Amino acid sequence: EAGVTQFPSHSVIEKGQTVTLRCDPISGHDNLYWYRRVMGKEIKFLLHFVKESKQDESGMPNNRFLAERTGGTYSTLKVQPAELEDSGVYFCASSQWLAGSSYEQYFGPGTRLTVT
Amino acid sequence: EDQVTQSPEALRLQEGESSSLNCSYTVSGLRGLFWYRQDPGKGPEFLFTLYSAGEEKEKERLKATLTKKESFLHITAPKPEDSATYLCAVRANYGQNFVFGPGTRLSVLP
Repeated sequence: EAGVTQFPSHSVIEKGQTVTLRCDPISGHDNLYWYRRVMGKEIKFLLHFVKESKQDESGMPNNRFLAERTGGTYSTLKVQPAELEDSGVYFCASSQWLAGSSYEQYFGPGTRLTVT
Repeated sequence: EDQVTQSPEALRLQEGESSSLNCSYTVSGLRGLFWYRQDPGKGPEFLFTLYSAGEEKEKERLKATLTKKESFLHITAPKPEDSATYLCAVRANYGQNFVFGPGTRLSVLP
């Protein structure tokens, strides 16, 4: 079974430009999460989708970040315009709650974003 | 505010030298404590979920335990391939997202 995939693996852009990150969750997982780790800090929650609906976007830092999940499959996270402080590693995770199972989330390899 | 701390920040062990990593948490209603392993350049890899105080889980050389305030990840007779950053995360009653600790960087020397 394929795991969570993310694209690109690394992106270098200039301040003011736009970048779109993509996440493909594990097939059949309704829950999709975005997290971010900035330099030297712990991984922080950004938002949570259940299928195509945003369940919780309390971690989104500001309105320069826009996440979508059309059709409840893959998700994109757009940063527009990018600022220097947006640099970091963006992780996507997915999970599927089934009766009697646990709530573990499975993470992708991350996209390293560098804003110069 | 939910909070997770981990200690030590970094740990160097000789191959075969057992030790423990600590994860202390403050959360309003614990719905699960999760241990992950992360290798450089990769995403966190799931290891264990613990739900209630007194619970223990084991996998190969790793054993995770849980109390009402903290969790320990015990590593028995570690090997160099156990070198990684070990992350602890908690999930609270009110949401589905994780709150992560800063991690412990483990190095096991041959």
